[in-house]
Amino acid sequence: DAEITQSPRHKITETGRQVTLACHQTWNHNNMFWYRQDLGHGLRLIHYSYGVQDTNKGEVSDGYSVSRSNTEDLPLTLESAASSQTSVYFCASSSGTIAAGEKNIQYFGAGTRLSVL
Amino acid sequence: GEDVEQSLFLSVREGDSSVINCTYTDSSSTYLYWYKQEPGAGLQLLTYIFSNMDMKQDQRLTVLLNKKDKHLSLRIADTQTGDSAIYFCASQEDNFNKFYFGSGTKLNVKP
Repeated sequence: DAEITQSPRHKITETGRQVTLACHQTWNHNNMFWYRQDLGHGLRLIHYSYGVQDTNKGEVSDGYSVSRSNTEDLPLTLESAASSQTSVYFCASSSGTIAAGEKNIQYFGAGTRLSVL
Repeated sequence: GEDVEQSLFLSVREGDSSVINCTYTDSSSTYLYWYKQEPGAGLQLLTYIFSNMDMKQDQRLTVLLNKKDKHLSLRIADTQTGDSAIYFCASQEDNFNKFYFGSGTKLNVKP
């Protein structure tokens, strides 16, 4: 069965360190998304990609970067981790074609809980 | 961007109906979705509704859409303790693939 996996599931790091969270999907989806989930804020979009070599900033992109070198993977990098980046991070993917009126269900990974001390 | 709002908490007794409400601001939203998140897990799609529909029923779930008021609701009939979770509504922009999520409603089902 196709799936979307995130690793690691839990990560503890120190402020100032670079951290990379992995996301791998076997749906062959064009679109991939990174969200962070914080109490009272729901899910906020960090970065997203509509295909290989395409990346876009979401509403909370400062301090994060992504790269899309293949269809399956969209790693999220925290360049210099800050305590404000302690959160639960979710990756999602959808089949994605930009067409009016087309539904585009997003499928989510299980999440990575990141603590920055 | 779109604003999607939900109340944060709902508590019901087992066997009662639950109604979770959501409002959104973008009238061009084409699809609206409900996701369920159980503790320690990712989001799972529960159901969705296209903007030209006003109701969709799927077993114990009923989705109502009032497009004029930009109001979406999810009714769970005969709520069970296994329905305890956080429920997110999300809207999809027309012509785009981005979702806008509400803050989530935590449903607590008391035995």
